[in-house]
Amino acid sequence: EAAVTQSPRNKVTVTGGNVTLSCRQTNSHNYMYWYRQDTGHGLRLIHYSYGAGNLQIGDVPDGYKATRTTQEDFFLLLELASPSQTSLYFCASSDGQISNERLFFGHGTKLSVL
Amino acid sequence: QEKVQQSPESLIVPEGAMSSLNCTFSNSASQSIWWYQQHPGKGPEALISIFSNGNKKEGRLTVYLNRASLHVSLHIRDSQPSDSAVYLCAVKRPSGSWQLIFGSGTQLTVMP
Repeated sequence: EAAVTQSPRNKVTVTGGNVTLSCRQTNSHNYMYWYRQDTGHGLRLIHYSYGAGNLQIGDVPDGYKATRTTQEDFFLLLELASPSQTSLYFCASSDGQISNERLFFGHGTKLSVL
Repeated sequence: QEKVQQSPESLIVPEGAMSSLNCTFSNSASQSIWWYQQHPGKGPEALISIFSNGNKKEGRLTVYLNRASLHVSLHIRDSQPSDSAVYLCAVKRPSGSWQLIFGSGTQLTVMP
């Protein structure tokens, strides 16, 4: 079973603060994704990557940076956090093969920006 | 931009009943369509996917896809309290990139 681990599970910061959310997957998946989940909006794609050093922009990228340092590790950076970024953040990974499109999600990081 | 809409927002059924969830999408060229289940405090987990028109059955789950009407439905036979969760419909973009666009979900509650 694919494993995706996110840290921290909960984070509280102040407006203007710096936040880094971490994600590690241990199944050698090519693709990794960052989503945010908000009531009424469902899951919205922030950034994704198809390999170390690669970054692709999703649907709601403003205010977020991301970096894929290795096959396993994908980070989401909020350099000047704002209250509108209070949300539940999910990392996911997938094989990226047509025969296996399934996404595997982590347990999420709850971020509060005061 | 592709849109995925789900209905109803919430559904309450008695134990043993059939649960029926609906999803409409905006682009007939969308590729595979997925249903995910999300329990409180957990990440979504994939349940079942469909690509071709028609239906697909796995255990108590049946999915129906009609691309002409841009509609997909999920039916859970013999619903159990453990099925209580949020169900998310997700559509793979037709652009060739590996992106899933999610609906806002249906909260299913199965009453014992």
